[in-house]
Amino acid sequence: EVQLLESGGGLVQPGGSLRLSCAASGFTFSSYAMSWVRQAPGKGLEWVSVISSSSGITTYYADSVRGRFTISRDNSNNTLFLQMNSLRVDDTAIYYCARGGVSRAGFDPWGQGILVSVSS
Amino acid sequence: DIQMTQSPSSLSASVGDRVTITCRASQDIRNNLGWYQQKPGKAPKRLIYTASSLQSGVPSRFSGSGSGTEFTLTISSLQPEDFATYYCLQHINYPLTFGGGTKVEIK
Repeated sequence: EVQLLESGGGLVQPGGSLRLSCAASGFTFSSYAMSWVRQAPGKGLEWVSVISSSSGITTYYADSVRGRFTISRDNSNNTLFLQMNSLRVDDTAIYYCARGGVSRAGFDPWGQGILVSVSS
Repeated sequence: DIQMTQSPSSLSASVGDRVTITCRASQDIRNNLGWYQQKPGKAPKRLIYTASSLQSGVPSRFSGSGSGTEFTLTISSLQPEDFATYYCLQHINYPLTFGGGTKVEIK
């Protein structure tokens, strides 16, 4: 069974940093692009970032996070990461790890999500 | 960036009703459109990709159609478990963009 499990969320002050992880299992992790998608409380879905398959040389970011967030992957441990720096109150959201991107016609499956709260 | 506009933003329907949700893209995305279902407190789930391809395991009462800039998700006979929020997603290029969502509620 394909599974994605996020960790690393929590409460952080504005300007702080947090690193999210997503542990993947049940598929050949290195063969897939991987993405992060977030959802602010009571709001819709917002794509955040994607990293290409294999070496992960290619990355893309939403304008709202470019320069502050960094996506990376460790194929030997089947893990996806999102390093979030200079966090702002409007980064508060549930962050989902999802398999896929443009090359996979969207996202399937999704992790259960992890809450990141940015507040003083 | 490609803007995705969904309508309606919410609707009330009864079990057994036929439900149609529309998504419009701000430019031609050919057939690069997906539909997702999200229930409260849960992660989204893909229903449809490339406009009309049914995700494995999704009931056949769900169907998608359209190309270019206008797309439709149809639920042929609404079931109790279908009450949820639905999102479209363009997957032709980055940044990937979602529609604003359609909440399907019980009448």
